[in-house]
Amino acid sequence: DIQMTQSPSTLSASVGDRVTITCRASQSISNSLAWYQQRPGKAPKLLIYKASTLESGVPSKFSGSGSGTEFTLTISSLQPGDFATYYCQQYNSYSRWTFGQGTKVEIK
Amino acid sequence: EVQLVESGGGLVQPGRSLRLSCTSSGFTFGDYAMGWVRQAPGKGLEWVGFIKSKAYGGTAEYVASVKGRFTISRDDSKSIAYLEMNSLKTEDTAVYYCTRTLIIMKGGAFDIWGQGTMVTVSS
Repeated sequence: DIQMTQSPSTLSASVGDRVTITCRASQSISNSLAWYQQRPGKAPKLLIYKASTLESGVPSKFSGSGSGTEFTLTISSLQPGDFATYYCQQYNSYSRWTFGQGTKVEIK
Repeated sequence: EVQLVESGGGLVQPGRSLRLSCTSSGFTFGDYAMGWVRQAPGKGLEWVGFIKSKAYGGTAEYVASVKGRFTISRDDSKSIAYLEMNSLKTEDTAVYYCTRTLIIMKGGAFDIWGQGTMVTVSS
């Protein structure tokens, strides 16, 4: 199975900061990658798919990049509602999709 | 409004079975692949499996830890997806989310999620 590794596991930042989260795949997944935001007690929310395509209704301060095995999610100008846990997910083939372990973005 | 609503969770003893339902509304259910994702208490997301739309063969795929014990099915006439869970183990304890993806547009990215239903496996 393809393993997804996110870094860092926890990120401390302040309101207004620009932050970047990295997701690495154990083998090439082309651009078959999604990013989700999960607030405590809530279901995940799709932010980005196909590595860099912004989901409808998601603010443009979220952006994704990368292909192959290395991907990044960037959030410009953190706001209070952005403090949450973020997950990457690969869907490279029609079998055994996997999530990264998550990155918690907390207030410094 | 596009919506997914899970039901059927609860407390079950190890070795027993449980069936979760995911009732959809607001979209053409048959066009979408339907997935299940779980989250153990305090842990991250784990992809459980998904079932393709009939146009893609209607077959299902599973994570290795549930293969042979869990079965995903769908009833397009009722717009409902199911997760049949057999031989449950304590490590299956989690919130189970129902999700959807339109493979031709978003691959396997899940754009709508249910609110989740809790499954607790304990004696």
